[in-house]
Amino acid sequence: DTGVSQDPRHKITKRGQNVTFRCDPISEHNRLYWYRQTLGQGPEFLTYFQNEAQLEKSRLLSDRFSAERPKGSFSTLEIQRTEQGDSAMYLCASGIPGGDEQFFGPGTRLTVL
Amino acid sequence: DQQVKQNSPSLSVQEGRISILNCDYTNSMFDYFLWYKKYPAEGPTFLISISSIKDKNEDGRFTVFLNKSAKHLSLHIVPSQPGDSAVYFCAASPSTSYGKLTFGQGTILTVHP
Repeated sequence: DTGVSQDPRHKITKRGQNVTFRCDPISEHNRLYWYRQTLGQGPEFLTYFQNEAQLEKSRLLSDRFSAERPKGSFSTLEIQRTEQGDSAMYLCASGIPGGDEQFFGPGTRLTVL
Repeated sequence: DQQVKQNSPSLSVQEGRISILNCDYTNSMFDYFLWYKKYPAEGPTFLISISSIKDKNEDGRFTVFLNKSAKHLSLHIVPSQPGDSAVYFCAASPSTSYGKLTFGQGTILTVHP
């Protein structure tokens, strides 16, 4: 399977705990995006990497959120001191410059109790 | 501030008939538009796109129409099939950007046999 993969698929945590998600993009894609989707809404942009450089962060990404893409391949999204409002589906997508579309992974569903 | 709006939360259509999904946008900087389809427990899948230099793009059973003056686009599916039942998201981007997408809220399409 050469699509975008995300791990874990589901995460249940208690409020105040830290969580980390991983995204493996399609191998030749140098663009990587993180989105968040809540119930009844479309995905909302969180952050974007071109290779290892994080070029934009949404104001939705509070200082409790950090994303990395250390070698320009896989990426991680960490949420510190989770809150119930962080419960959502976290989607990763990858693409190439000038490409028509972004390819999405299956998402990580986070539930904060 | 919802820059991309899909005002119909759901649509029900008989198999073989036409499905028309609508989307409105407010940001004049948007000049590239995409439709994604999403099944439960999967990430969004790209369907079709259109640039603002065109007013129509067709791919098999799927056609997207763009009315720039009205800031409106629509997706036509003809003929509709039960396998088309999914959530459909409209998304928009300024072509000068790196591909950051702004999504609508989605429309749940149900195609009845």
